[in-house]
Amino acid sequence: DTEVTQTPKHLVMGMTNKKSLKCEQHMGHRAMYWYKQKAKKPPELMFVYSYEKLSINESVPSRFSPECPNSSLLNLHLHALQPEDSALYLCASSPEFDTQYFGPGTRLTVL
Amino acid sequence: AQSVAQPEDQVNVAEGNPLTVKCTYSVSGNPYLFWYVQYPNRGLQFLLKYITGDNLVKGSYGFEAEFNKSQTSFHLKKPSALVSDSALYFCAVRDPLKGYQKVTFGTGTKLQVIP
Repeated sequence: DTEVTQTPKHLVMGMTNKKSLKCEQHMGHRAMYWYKQKAKKPPELMFVYSYEKLSINESVPSRFSPECPNSSLLNLHLHALQPEDSALYLCASSPEFDTQYFGPGTRLTVL
Repeated sequence: AQSVAQPEDQVNVAEGNPLTVKCTYSVSGNPYLFWYVQYPNRGLQFLLKYITGDNLVKGSYGFEAEFNKSQTSFHLKKPSALVSDSALYFCAVRDPLKGYQKVTFGTGTKLQVIP
């Protein structure tokens, strides 16, 4: 299985809602990533998990809370988001020192 | 700090003609270089990479890239463009001396193949 899956594909939420994004891979990769991407811009790194431990947090606001329950799963918990947080959220995974493989993304709209 | 530049926001090429999408990089060590393609409302798809070895790297969908250390470039090429190649292309660099997790992406180049 050479695929990274993300659910849901689309999410619309109000500023007071709590929601979660889910990412899954079964390639045995030990690094997993969350990126935020605005239209026609490059992905911006948010978090990196290495061997299920948070290794990089790119000064992301606390309204975004990552979680890595096991080596195959990565969650991003969302709470009290702002309209400017609307974007495509991409998950990726990689073996050590090698290519990142991306999921299809979750299109998030914050009203 | 590692960085990558894609000097062209958009490249237009006629179908059947060769295409080049430019990328230059700056790292302190020997770079790991990648090209990704993104179709509208989709995630990034890996095309090819250079880590070591032959400077000419072949990848998916007939794409190739040439690593040029003296010019710090890693241009993406294809001998004959297809309309279906129209998409957003990102060059990316990883500096192994900075740890393996962080990849820096270029700003992207929109490729438009004209029928």
